[in-house]
Amino acid sequence: QVQLVQSGAEVKKPGASVKVSCKASGYTFISYFIHWVRQAPGQGLEYMGIINPSAGNTNYAQKFQGRVTMTRDTSTSTVNMELSSLSSDDTAVYYCARELERTFYFDYWGQGTLVTVSS
Amino acid sequence: QSALTQPASVSGSPGQSITISCTGTSSDVGRYNVVSWYQHNPGKAPKLMIYEGSKRPSGVSNRFSGSKSGNTASLTISGLQAEDEADYYCCSYAVSNTYVFGTGTKVTVL
Repeated sequence: QVQLVQSGAEVKKPGASVKVSCKASGYTFISYFIHWVRQAPGQGLEYMGIINPSAGNTNYAQKFQGRVTMTRDTSTSTVNMELSSLSSDDTAVYYCARELERTFYFDYWGQGTLVTVSS
Repeated sequence: QSALTQPASVSGSPGQSITISCTGTSSDVGRYNVVSWYQHNPGKAPKLMIYEGSKRPSGVSNRFSGSKSGNTASLTISGLQAEDEADYYCCSYAVSNTYVFGTGTKVTVL
């Protein structure tokens, strides 16, 4: 069955970076884009960006450009999302989600990873 | 890209129908027929309920339906059930190859 399994919770200090991983299984890894979405406490869902696991190309939401990097490892069917220069505003649950190329919806989601930024 | 506008909360009694609106602009909802809707329960992953504005994935109850008019998309839940209580988010593809979510609506079953 399709699964997106994310790495565990993280606690980081302001100014640090965090890397969250999303390991895919149960489908052809390179056939689906992976998106990242986050939800801060008490807030709504916020779109961060996309990576095409086949070509490795990315597109980031303007808000996160310069601070987010998405990479993939096709040998392990894993996508990583690294966010730098963390502040308390980045405290959130981060989700990965897959999209069959150019279908414009997310049919499977990871379980979410809580990132807490605190001094 | 500003978030799509949804009502903060909608409520209804069991068996009733409710509709959640999702208002965007000509750069997102109005431009593309690809609005999707997600049900989100605290601590769980969001679940796809509607895609391409009105299509239901396999396994989603036919009590859920979607539509769009101009810059506003809507999700209707008919025959409201206690299990429908959750947060609901719309999402649209937008210009510049990005996506935008709605502000979210908390559905309460009275």
